[in-house]
Amino acid sequence: QVQLQESGPGLVKPSETLSLTCAVSGYSISSGYQWGWIRQPPGKGLEWIGSIYDSGSPYYNPSLMSRITISVDTSKNHFSLRLSSVTAADTAVYYCARLYYYGSGSYPDHWGQGTLVTVSS
Amino acid sequence: DIQMTQSPSSLSASVGDRVTITCRASQSIGTFLNWYQLRPGQAPKLLIYATSSLQSGVPSRFTGSGSATDFTLTISSLQPEDSATYCCQQSYSTPLTFGAGTKVEIK
Repeated sequence: QVQLQESGPGLVKPSETLSLTCAVSGYSISSGYQWGWIRQPPGKGLEWIGSIYDSGSPYYNPSLMSRITISVDTSKNHFSLRLSSVTAADTAVYYCARLYYYGSGSYPDHWGQGTLVTVSS
Repeated sequence: DIQMTQSPSSLSASVGDRVTITCRASQSIGTFLNWYQLRPGQAPKLLIYATSSLQSGVPSRFTGSGSATDFTLTISSLQPEDSATYCCQQSYSTPLTFGAGTKVEIK
């Protein structure tokens, strides 16, 4: 059974960098699929942040591209998100997910429970 | 970006009712449409992928249909545990985009 668990600070100051890690169990990251991050601001819909292939090649939402880094650590079987220069608009529940890809798109088939990150001084 | 529009934004129905949620894409996405169930504090759950394929372990009362720009999620006989928000997502192209969600409440 694939399980994902997000971890990281729940409070980040404006202009600083948000860093989250997703620990994966029950499946090896290097065995395939994409691995990605999705967020949901309070009262709003889900927003895809970006994903990374098991090979390590990332691709990002253009709306956030200049501030995002997603990386994979296969030795620890986890992947990470860094979002720089955060503002209050980045306050959200952040989910990590495994994505099945086919054609030009992909969909999350397993998700973490999510972690609330608040941006505030 | 492909915009996904869901309706209604919320609904209230009784146990045993048939419930239908619609999702419209701003351009044709073929059958690259997926449905999720979201409950507070829980991991979102994939229900339907590729418009009509039932994810393993999901009850058969959930069905999906549609193509191109118009899609439907149907719950044939609403159960108490179906109280949740349901969200569609297009996997036709990046950036991946989601509908705003439909909150289903049990009367």
